[in-house]
Amino acid sequence: QAGLTQPPSVSKDLRQTATLTCIGNNNNVGDEGAAWVQQHQGHPPKQLFYRNNHRPSGISERFSASRSGNTASLTITGLQPEDEADYYCLAWDSSLSTVIFGGGTKLTVL
Amino acid sequence: QLQLQESGPGLVKPSETLSLTCAVSGDSINNNNCFWAWIRQPPGKGLEFIGHIFHTGSTFYNPSLKSRVTLSIDTSESQFSLQLNSVTAADTAVYYCARWSGGFDYWGLGTLVTVPS
Repeated sequence: QAGLTQPPSVSKDLRQTATLTCIGNNNNVGDEGAAWVQQHQGHPPKQLFYRNNHRPSGISERFSASRSGNTASLTITGLQPEDEADYYCLAWDSSLSTVIFGGGTKLTVL
Repeated sequence: QLQLQESGPGLVKPSETLSLTCAVSGDSINNNNCFWAWIRQPPGKGLEFIGHIFHTGSTFYNPSLKSRVTLSIDTSESQFSLQLNSVTAADTAVYYCARWSGGFDYWGLGTLVTVPS
């Protein structure tokens, strides 16, 4: 099953801005849009965004998300130590009639 | 506040069937605007979607697991279940249940299932 494409790792300095990308196709990201979850080591994932850029209550405004064509992006400004985590994008795929995940990006805050 | 709780054996022998249940509390499982899913994560690896089920009982499975997976739902008990048969060591993972409502907004804590090699 083809998944969404994410860079395996991103490293940024404290208080800088990180942008994580997620590449899909017309059947998933480009159609239904993408969602994002954050996962700290040893913990279950936590929703950050759904339907491209809808932020649930309680998620910091330092996090933003967008979509352009078949690419979704997650931007984190003013990086903090607690932002160091794995970030996964996911999307409903209309051709497969199922949810697909990206491989995840490990964000390191230096 | 919706809560999901996975339960089931932590150790399953090769070739046997893995069975897990997810108890839903704090909201109705009979929600037309969402579905209920199983997701797994092998140690040190990424998330893999297993399948999902609607409160009506309609199911969709990851094609790579479809031949071995069965999902079911018991709305009277507010729970849904996963069965994965003919397991091997490659099925060792933390298994999560979650709710999809445009994204996975609620997750269980996960349960580690080990299949010894």
